[in-house]
Amino acid sequence: DTAVSQTPKYLVTQMGNDKSIKCEQNLGHDTMYWYKQDSKKFLKIMFSYNNKELIINETVPNRFSPKSPDKAHLNLHINSLELGDSAVYFCASSPWTGDGKQPQHFGDGTRLSIL
Amino acid sequence: AQSVSQHNHHVILSEAASLELGCNYSYGGTVNLFWYVQYPGQHLQLLLKYFSGDPLVKGIKGFEAEFIKSKFSFNLRKPSVQWSDTAEYFCAVTRPNTDKLIFGTGTRLQVFP
Repeated sequence: DTAVSQTPKYLVTQMGNDKSIKCEQNLGHDTMYWYKQDSKKFLKIMFSYNNKELIINETVPNRFSPKSPDKAHLNLHINSLELGDSAVYFCASSPWTGDGKQPQHFGDGTRLSIL
Repeated sequence: AQSVSQHNHHVILSEAASLELGCNYSYGGTVNLFWYVQYPGQHLQLLLKYFSGDPLVKGIKGFEAEFIKSKFSFNLRKPSVQWSDTAEYFCAVTRPNTDKLIFGTGTRLQVFP
């Protein structure tokens, strides 16, 4: 009964490759997010979707492209992977109220390592 | 730049010691405040949140936090820590009209038995 699930848990690949990370939530939430946690544990939001529509798009290289086929899924595709993309990527979800008061529920993270 | 600061980067305590982790934010006006915890190898979990009202809020596992508006602070406290509290603790803020969570840099807490 995992609430927010991400696959894969670990991803090791070479520079220049293209990879995808998938996220699914079964909480019935309308809003989903992608965060990047760097080697110093700093967490920064990348994207947010509300009901399949992009609502937050931080300063992220356009090699990163989120896709939301439905409100329960938010996938992250990364083209031409670079060394600096090595990080843990967290998916999260929350109900939509637009007032910033809804706690976000996080997945277990995907540890991406670029060789 | 507007931000969230956690000045304690690494805290080491013995079991039963008292804990206070600092959090300051630099946004003017109304903010929503959160503390999240990340246990080793796990996802972030909500400890507590504050929106308005009583500035002293209680969360799970015996944690509490106090909002001091004049100091732009939301410090996390626990009277007596346990070994199982070893984790990374993140303070975070949202503004009233957005769900964009801005995180602090995190504080690593190590509790030794």
